[in-house]
Amino acid sequence: AQTVTQSQPEMSVQEAETVTLSCTYDTSENNYYLFWYKQPPSRQMILVIRQEAYKQQNATENRFSVNFQKAAKSFSLKISDSQLGDTAMYFCAFMKSLTGNQFYFGTGTSLTVIP
Amino acid sequence: DGGITQSPKYLFRKEGQNVTLSCEQNLNHDAMYWYRQDPGQGLRLIYYSQIVNDFQKGDIAEGYSVSREKKESFPLTVTSAQKNPTAFYLCASSILGQGAGQPQHFGDGTRLSIL
Repeated sequence: AQTVTQSQPEMSVQEAETVTLSCTYDTSENNYYLFWYKQPPSRQMILVIRQEAYKQQNATENRFSVNFQKAAKSFSLKISDSQLGDTAMYFCAFMKSLTGNQFYFGTGTSLTVIP
Repeated sequence: DGGITQSPKYLFRKEGQNVTLSCEQNLNHDAMYWYRQDPGQGLRLIYYSQIVNDFQKGDIAEGYSVSREKKESFPLTVTSAQKNPTAFYLCASSILGQGAGQPQHFGDGTRLSIL
């Protein structure tokens, strides 16, 4: 079974600063995908970023980037120039490539951006 | 605009009553999913379906039932056998067959409470 661990239940960051959210996972698979989702107070889940395990290059989407360490099974999310709208729950998710669609989610990190 | 519509936004259940949560998508996605979200536990998979008239149990299917009579629709029934139904329920969908690693897209959720 796949497990996804987010060891930081809550974090805070000053507006305009940088913050890193950690995620580790356990799998015996070699090919898989990793995702970060954001859930603001409105409760809708929004895709932030996606990483393919066979790609060594870290994914980047504007102010969001990941540090993917395959050997360490680590997938952290870095948010640069934090904005008030980044306040949300952040979930890390794992998907096996062969099954195609079943996700495994971590328990989430609640991020608060302080003005 | 394409998306996933969940209704109602809030739902109350009396003891011994079955209730049905609606999920409709116009994204032409093949797969649909139901998750339960409780505080501190992330998202747990209840049921998923990859094709019309077929569905599989997730990790916490007991006390729930689903149907998939149309590609666009995947309603979830919370039966009286589910003794602790109070939670936030999220419906999601995803593409199949266009390569692995397709993200799941989520609705806005339904909050179910016991009266």
